[in-house]
Amino acid sequence: DVKVTQSSRYLVKRTGEKVFLECVQDMDHENMFWYRQDPGLGLRLIYFSYDVKMKEKGDIPEGYSVSREKKERFSLILESASTNQTSMYLCASSDREWQYFGPGTRLTVT
Amino acid sequence: GQQLNQSPQSMFIQEGEDVSMNCTSSSIFNTWLWYKQDPGEGPVLLIALYKAGELTSNGRLTAQFGITRKDSFLNISASIPSDVGIYFCAVAGSNYKLTFGKGTLLTVNP
Repeated sequence: DVKVTQSSRYLVKRTGEKVFLECVQDMDHENMFWYRQDPGLGLRLIYFSYDVKMKEKGDIPEGYSVSREKKERFSLILESASTNQTSMYLCASSDREWQYFGPGTRLTVT
Repeated sequence: GQQLNQSPQSMFIQEGEDVSMNCTSSSIFNTWLWYKQDPGEGPVLLIALYKAGELTSNGRLTAQFGITRKDSFLNISASIPSDVGIYFCAVAGSNYKLTFGKGTLLTVNP
């Protein structure tokens, strides 16, 4: 059974902290994605990666960076968390048109 | 970026009723997808459509890929309480990137 896991379901951080969100997939997929989900705005793509050490900006990359050192792992980094980054963060992986999603991390920045 | 117009934004229905939602785009796409997100979880693929005019069923769900390749609809027949959630349409673009609609929040009253 395919699986995408995210390191935390809920996370509370303070403004200015560095935050790491981890995502792991066990399907040997080339492509991995990070989205944020906000009420009324749907899913918006932050960054994606085609392969190890490859990354591309999505629609809303400002304030975020990513790391893909191993094929199965894709990390989202908030260098200095701000309150407007409070959101649900979803990771996904794919090897074709549709994507498999993790359960999400609900991040609150206070 | 590309935008999908998904409607309605929300629906509140009685158990047993049928549901219909749709998605339109100003551009042509060759793949349309429908996802469901249960409360507190990541989206899960319901139906994938690859051919204009295609009508595909998955249990009580039926989805159609519009003949113009610019729209799609999803029908749910005889709704039950576990149909509650957010339904997203999505289109596949280059490099396996997906663009999502803003979602339809479905509430089913037992």
